[in-house]
Amino acid sequence: EPEVTQTPSHQVTQMGQEVILRCVPISNHLYFYWYRQILGQKVEFLVSFYNNEISEKSEIFDDQFSVERPDGSNFTLKIRSTKLEDSAMYFCASSTRQGDSPLHFGNGTRLTVT
Amino acid sequence: DQQVKQNSPSLSVQEGRISILNCDYTNSMFDYFLWYKKYPAEGPTFLISISSIKDKNEDGRFTVFLNKSAKHLSLHIVPSQPGDSAVYFCAACTGNYKLTFGKGTLLTVNP
Repeated sequence: EPEVTQTPSHQVTQMGQEVILRCVPISNHLYFYWYRQILGQKVEFLVSFYNNEISEKSEIFDDQFSVERPDGSNFTLKIRSTKLEDSAMYFCASSTRQGDSPLHFGNGTRLTVT
Repeated sequence: DQQVKQNSPSLSVQEGRISILNCDYTNSMFDYFLWYKKYPAEGPTFLISISSIKDKNEDGRFTVFLNKSAKHLSLHIVPSQPGDSAVYFCAACTGNYKLTFGKGTLLTVNP
């Protein structure tokens, strides 16, 4: 079964550094998402992306965050200047959004900001 | 913001018995509900969903019930198996696929 793949599985960075989290969505999916889960808290929506533009974003997704689909397969989340509170599991998801198609999630990238 | 609530952080059942996981929501605009299962070090895996126009959806051992008037849904797993042990997340959306998740319930199925 096709999968959403995310790299790296774990990223450690220093506060103030830029990080790029990478995702390869399922190939025939057209809608892409980033969610995050801070340890002990809920999985939270960050942003949705369709047709090469952001379709919706949450309050969490401020100017420090950006997303890009640089080619036909990758979908990236960039955090420009990381803060300690950005430490979380970041999940990429994709869907066809046809009918009742659900979101399919990757295994996540654990981001640790020190 | 507690639009989706899973009030039981954990549930323990015996193998072969029924597991019932509950979820309540407050936003009456939600029209699509999903259950995801999550193992440690993995992402959420889709299990089953239900549209607000239905009150029941069944897929093998998994059945989801929706009570719109009570803003309540439940996931029934029968019979429960040890491999079902995981964290179960209830999620809801309004059709824009911006999922709002509950905090999850850790299910432990004992052999």
